[in-house]
Formats: sequence, structure tokens, C-alpha cells
Amino acid sequence: GNSVTQMEGPVTLSEEAFLTINCTYTATGYPSLFWYVQYPGEGLQLLLKATKADDKGSNKGFEATYRKETTSFHLEKGSVQVSDSAVYFCALTLNYGGSQGNLIFGKGTKLSVKP
Amino acid sequence: KAGVTQTPRYLIKTRGQQVTLSCSPISGHRSVSWYQQTPGQGLQFLFEYFSETQRNKGNFPGRFSGRQFSNSRSEMNVSTLELGDSALYLCASSPWGEGNQPQHFGDGTRLSIL
Repeated sequence: GNSVTQMEGPVTLSEEAFLTINCTYTATGYPSLFWYVQYPGEGLQLLLKATKADDKGSNKGFEATYRKETTSFHLEKGSVQVSDSAVYFCALTLNYGGSQGNLIFGKGTKLSVKP
Repeated sequence: KAGVTQTPRYLIKTRGQQVTLSCSPISGHRSVSWYQQTPGQGLQFLFEYFSETQRNKGNFPGRFSGRQFSNSRSEMNVSTLELGDSALYLCASSPWGEGNQPQHFGDGTRLSIL
């Protein structure tokens, strides 16, 4: 079946450290890939997306590259800030027809950034 | 542009009762999806509606149902509530027919079952 696996958390970093959160997927067909972020007490916000192999999504200093050969979509940021503390979800969708399809999420990785 | 609006934000019910949650999508978005978020199971897809018709359904029992109105607003209903239904219920909207568009989420309704 279709699934997303992301690294277990929590991840604790010091401000300005480099961040990597690993994400791999299993999918039949050609998925679109997303990273969403959830701050305490809020819903999910789209962080970035990639819709085909070798696409790089980027936003707010975060980047992820769609790697079909390794079925991966790892999230990276060169220098994290305290305000980046949140839970990060990797997700995929297999579009069909006009629908966006249902999002399949990883378990989430909680990031805490210390000053 | 207003985001996805979910009401109420918090709800407390007891076992056996039923509950209705509401979602107003972003203006112009015609597809609405619902997700359940729990610490144990994570984020799970419930169903997707477009043009007042259910287009896609997740693996949940028939106690979970939904509907969509002509203005794209959606409601979900859970009958005969169980303790395990305590969760954050998230609604997401997206355009229909435009491939690869992401879903935009509301802040959710937190349902607690006593």
C-alpha cells in the first residue's frame, strides 16, 4: 500500500544548527509530496511541495528534493530558529481525476529549538 | 482571503451522544476533506466531498458521515460516540480539477469524549 515513513522524534537542536528530517515513501504511481508544519493548538500549514521527480520545494529557508530513485523527500534547513519549533509532517497524495486525493501522512517529527 | 474556518473549536460530549462539526472552505475552493488526528494513529483521512457528493472515503466505520452543501460548506457527523473518538478533527479545502494543488487546513475542532 501507499505509506510515508519519517524519522522518529523528538529532535532537539540549538539555534542556528542544521536541520534534517528524513522522509521516505512507498507509493503506486507518481505521488505529489508535501511537508506540512503544525504549531501548538493550530491546524497544519503547508510548508513546501514537489510534484515530480527532481523537483525542489522551498519556503522560509526550508528545502526538500523529490528523489524518485531513493523514494525520499528529506526536509532540510541550514540554520534553525526558536520559532521553527513545531511538529513537521511529510505527506503524499496520488491525484486522480480532478481530486487532490487523500493525503497520507507520516507520524510527524517534533522539533524543539533551544536559544 | 479568509482561511478554512472550523466550528466549534472545542467540544465535550459523553459516550453514546452524537456530534456535528462544521467547516467553511476557502472562497472558491470546492473540495473539502476531513481528517482525524490522534496521538496513537496520527493523521487519518476520513472523506472528501466535491459538488455535494462524497468522492473518496477512508477506512472509518459508518458512524462517521459527512455532507457538503451547495456553497461548498461541509459538516461531519459522528453518531454513538465512543471514547476512542476523542481527537482533533481537521478540515481541508482545495480547488477541484487543478492538479497538484495542496490542501489548506483549518485549525480543527478538538472533540473530547467523557
